[in-house]
Amino acid sequence: GNSVTQMEGPVTLSEEAFLTINCTYTATGYPSLFWYVQYPGEGLQLLLKATKADDKGSNKGFEATYRKETTSFHLEKGSVQVSDSAVYFCALSDRTGGSYIPTFGRGTSLIVHP
Amino acid sequence: EPEVTQTPSHQVTQMGQEVILRCVPISNHLYFYWYRQILGQKVEFLVSFYNNEISEKSEIFDDQFSVERPDGSNFTLKIRSTKLEDSAMYFCASSDERAEAFFGQGTRLTVV
Repeated sequence: GNSVTQMEGPVTLSEEAFLTINCTYTATGYPSLFWYVQYPGEGLQLLLKATKADDKGSNKGFEATYRKETTSFHLEKGSVQVSDSAVYFCALSDRTGGSYIPTFGRGTSLIVHP
Repeated sequence: EPEVTQTPSHQVTQMGQEVILRCVPISNHLYFYWYRQILGQKVEFLVSFYNNEISEKSEIFDDQFSVERPDGSNFTLKIRSTKLEDSAMYFCASSDERAEAFFGQGTRLTVV
């Protein structure tokens, strides 16, 4: 079956530090890959996506590249801000039966200090 | 910008009672989902719905749960006899053929 593995948190950084959150996946088909962000007390917001190998998704300074050879989709940002503090979920979506079923990793909490 | 809306935002219910959680998916989407997130834990898939029927469900989605699309816009999750362990945040999502799921803000269910 499909699964997503993320690095455990919390990840604690100072403002302007470089961020990497690792994500690897296992899928039976050729999935689309996503990063979602959940700010405290809120729902899941799509941050970025990639639908095929070597695609790079980017948004708000965050980037992730779809690496089929290593089955990875690591999230990076060159300079984090306090407002980036949130929980980040890596996810994949693959056609199973009649529909796409997004499968989530456990989430990685990011805490950014001033 | 189109969005998925969920009501209520917070529901408190007594153990053994039935609850209905409501969702309005994005209007041109074809696939609908319910997920739950127990406080601080992972986002767990419950069920997907397509073409007016359940297309996939997880082991969590037992006979206690049901989903319905009673009209062209609403998508509901019913929990028949709530248990303490059903306390969680429940998220509705919808997607089109591109597989990109959009989530609502969630309903926090508290069973007392």
